[in-house]
Amino acid sequence: DSGVTQTPKHLITATGQRVTLRCSPRSGDLSVYWYQQSLDQGLQFLIQYYNGEERAKGNILERFSAQQFPDLHSELNLSSLELGDSALYFCASSVSPGPSYEQYFGPGTRLTVT
Amino acid sequence: AQSVAQPEDQVNVAEGNPLTVKCTYSVSGNPYLFWYVQYPNRGLQFLLKYITGDNLVKGSYGFEAEFNKSQTSFHLKKPSALVSDSALYFCAVRDDRGSTLGRLYFGRGTQLTVWP
Repeated sequence: DSGVTQTPKHLITATGQRVTLRCSPRSGDLSVYWYQQSLDQGLQFLIQYYNGEERAKGNILERFSAQQFPDLHSELNLSSLELGDSALYFCASSVSPGPSYEQYFGPGTRLTVT
Repeated sequence: AQSVAQPEDQVNVAEGNPLTVKCTYSVSGNPYLFWYVQYPNRGLQFLLKYITGDNLVKGSYGFEAEFNKSQTSFHLKKPSALVSDSALYFCAVRDDRGSTLGRLYFGRGTQLTVWP
């Protein structure tokens, strides 16, 4: 158990809908990352937050947004969902955003868009 | 551009034999290299990392990795494989420069199968 929690574990929804994925980092970790894992794209970095501020942005679609709250938990919002958004979404956290710090991953949220 | 290559989709090895999972990388700055393992329906677990210093890094569950700067490689190794090592292994790199400072770049993963 990494100490990173994600809810829900599974989510099934229809095209055009909006969902929110939630992540709680390990105790003491200030930096949160979101990744998408799919068979065709592999593991893709979406976005990073550090102590409430957006730090780095990756391959995140405009239909997706995220934020980190004062208690350090984070939410990833996915809207106008398409079939191609079906994937495993991981949250990770690290004590610092610096490159030498390993990231600890949550168990993921499996999103299925029908 | 930063990237990671894992040239083998699959590695098969007999229990008790040594195993190697290959990884090469490309970064513009200094590399920070990581190995993660993913079991079915689970998140990624951190195995080990190379930051600086000794080129041979030891990690969890008896795994180690060798950093080779001239070959830009970071191969994962274990002297004696176990059936329980069967899983998907990811190599990842972080850069220490610019706007990509925060992100991990992952390889496509290598499925390791250890048979009894």
